[in-house]
Amino acid sequence: AQSVTQPDIHITVSEGASLELRCNYSYGATPYLFWYVQSPGQGLQLLLKYFSGDTLVQGIKGFEAEFKRSQSSFNLRKPSVHWSDAAEYFCAVGASDSWGKFQFGAGTQVVVTP
Amino acid sequence: SAVISQKPSRDICQRGTSLTIQCQVDSQVTMMFWYRQQPGQSLTLIATANQGSEATYESGFVIDKFPISRPNLTFSTLTVSNMSPEDSSIYLCSVEIGTGAYEQYFGPGTRLTVT
Repeated sequence: AQSVTQPDIHITVSEGASLELRCNYSYGATPYLFWYVQSPGQGLQLLLKYFSGDTLVQGIKGFEAEFKRSQSSFNLRKPSVHWSDAAEYFCAVGASDSWGKFQFGAGTQVVVTP
Repeated sequence: SAVISQKPSRDICQRGTSLTIQCQVDSQVTMMFWYRQQPGQSLTLIATANQGSEATYESGFVIDKFPISRPNLTFSTLTVSNMSPEDSSIYLCSVEIGTGAYEQYFGPGTRLTVT
């Protein structure tokens, strides 16, 4: 079965600074990887996904993520954060042999300071 | 993507009662899912709801506690039965858009508090 770990529960970043959120997964084959963002009182919004191909994927809101098979990682990055990026971010992994069954990480809460 | 709505958006219920949560999608979808997000926790899949068949429940979740209906391709309900304070959570439905797209889009959630 697949699993996903987000080592950072909470990150504080200054507005305009860069942001990197870590995600490590465990799965025997090539996983399907996702990043979602949950703003206060909102549902989850899909930021980006990786299925195959180019290991650097671009998403919405200026986010990108890089799949590194050797490190079993799928870290999310943004070069310059905005106050509106304050939210909780979830990494999720799916698998071809358990279609539709996503495993979510514990989430990383991002606080943006002026 | 799709527009997904849930009703109610929040509710406060007494223990021992039941609440039915509705999920409506603005387009026909094959796969619908129900998740639970307990306070301060991540999302846990409760069940997969396919139209025309019984829901498939994940380990730790049973039909008697969380009965699900899926009468058509745009609508589903989740009932939380015989509630206890431990059922206080956000319940979210999600849908997969497009066959093989393997992306899930989430509704805004229903925040349930059981007293």
